[in-house]
Amino acid sequence: GQNIDQPTEMTATEGAIVQINCTYQTSGFNGLFWYQQHAGEAPTFLSYNVLDGLEEKGRFSSFLSRSKGYSYLLLKELQMKDSASYLCAVLDSNYQLIWGAGTKLIIKP
Amino acid sequence: SQTIHQWPATLVQPVGSPLSLECTVEGTSNPNLYWYRQAAGRGLQLLFYSVGIGQISSEVPQNLSASRPQDRQFILSSKKLLLSDSGFYLCAWTDRGFDTGELFFGEGSRLTVL
Repeated sequence: GQNIDQPTEMTATEGAIVQINCTYQTSGFNGLFWYQQHAGEAPTFLSYNVLDGLEEKGRFSSFLSRSKGYSYLLLKELQMKDSASYLCAVLDSNYQLIWGAGTKLIIKP
Repeated sequence: SQTIHQWPATLVQPVGSPLSLECTVEGTSNPNLYWYRQAAGRGLQLLFYSVGIGQISSEVPQNLSASRPQDRQFILSSKKLLLSDSGFYLCAWTDRGFDTGELFFGEGSRLTVL
C-alpha cells in the first residue's frame, strides 16, 4: 500500500529553526509537495520537489532524497504566524496525490 | 488570475437530509477538479476528481456523489447524510498534468451532521 509518515505534532520556540520530516512509500513518484494549513482554513502551497536536493524559498526550505523516500521542510527564524499544520503529499505514478496526516507545529514565545 | 470559490462555508444538517456543495473556478479552462474531505486531525481524503465535463471518478464508495455540469463547476451532493459525513470539505483544481506543481484549494466547507 501507499504510505506517508510525518510526526503528529512538534513544538518550537519563536526565532528558532525547526525541521519537519516526511517519509513515503508510494507506487511511483512524480514529485513531493509541502502545504501549510492554518486551523479552519484551506491548505496553501509551500514547495514542490521532484529532483534530489534542497529548494530554498525565503525562510522555508524543502529537501528531497528519492532513494531514501525522504523529505524535510525546514523553517528558519520561526514566527508565531508559522503555527499551523504542515502537510506532506506525494504525486504517484498515476498523478494522484497521496497525503500525509499532517504535522501540527506549535510555536511558543 | 485564477480563483476558486466554494460554498456554503459552514452548514449544520440533520441526519438523513440532502447536501449540495458547489465549487466554481475562474480564470482558467479545462481544469482538473477535486473534492477532498478532511476529518479532524486526519489527512486529506480524495473523494472525487474530474478531468472534464461529465467525467467523474470516485475514489471512495459512499453515499456521496459529484457532478460537473460545466467546465468550471463541480458539485458535491448527497441524498441522505450520515453522521460520518461530518468534516471539512475542500474543492481544488489544478491544470492538466500538474504543470505548475501546485493544487489550488477553495476556502473549504465545514459540515456538521447532527
